[in-house]
Amino acid sequence: EAGVTQFPSHSVIEKGQTVTLRCDPISGHDNLYWYRRVMGKEIKFLLHFVKESKQDESGMPNNRFLAERTGGTYSTLKVQPAELEDSGVYFCASSQFTSGRREQYFGPGTRLTVT
Amino acid sequence: RKEVEQDPGPFNVPEGATVAFNCTYSNSASQSFFWYRQDCRKEPKLLMSVYSSGNEDGRFTAQLNRASQYISLLIRDSKLSDSATYLCVVNLDYKLSFGAGTTVTVRA
Repeated sequence: EAGVTQFPSHSVIEKGQTVTLRCDPISGHDNLYWYRRVMGKEIKFLLHFVKESKQDESGMPNNRFLAERTGGTYSTLKVQPAELEDSGVYFCASSQFTSGRREQYFGPGTRLTVT
Repeated sequence: RKEVEQDPGPFNVPEGATVAFNCTYSNSASQSFFWYRQDCRKEPKLLMSVYSSGNEDGRFTAQLNRASQYISLLIRDSKLSDSATYLCVVNLDYKLSFGAGTTVTVRA
């Protein structure tokens, strides 16, 4: 079974530009999550989709970040316009809806550098 | 106050040794608990869930004390391949909170 995949693996952009990250969850997983790790800090929650609906977006830092999950399959996270402090590793995770333990499985991450 | 506070290490141990470390969490409403391992520049990988009664998975033993809001991980008979950063993770309403990680290095 394929795991969570993310694209691109790395992205280097200039301040003010736009970047779109993509996540494909494990097939059949209704829950999809975005997390972020900035340099020297813990991994932090950004938001949670159940199918195509945003369940919790309390971790989104500001309105420059927009996440979508049209059709309830893959998700995109757009940063527009990017700022220096947006640099970090963006992880996507997924879990089954019926999992009582709620184990989440992570993708390899997108390393974003804003210069 | 951080949601999850973790013993940072580093722990440098010889092969075959036992190493143990722990974390505490601040929100008593937390619903489930996990240990993930993370290798350098890789994604977190689920190592094991942690149950209230304590549980083992091979050489790994996890304990949870809900009253003290304390979680521990013990690794027996350490292998070189156990070298990694171990992340203490708690879940509340599908939202995971991560500790900063404990670095373990197993030397030959």
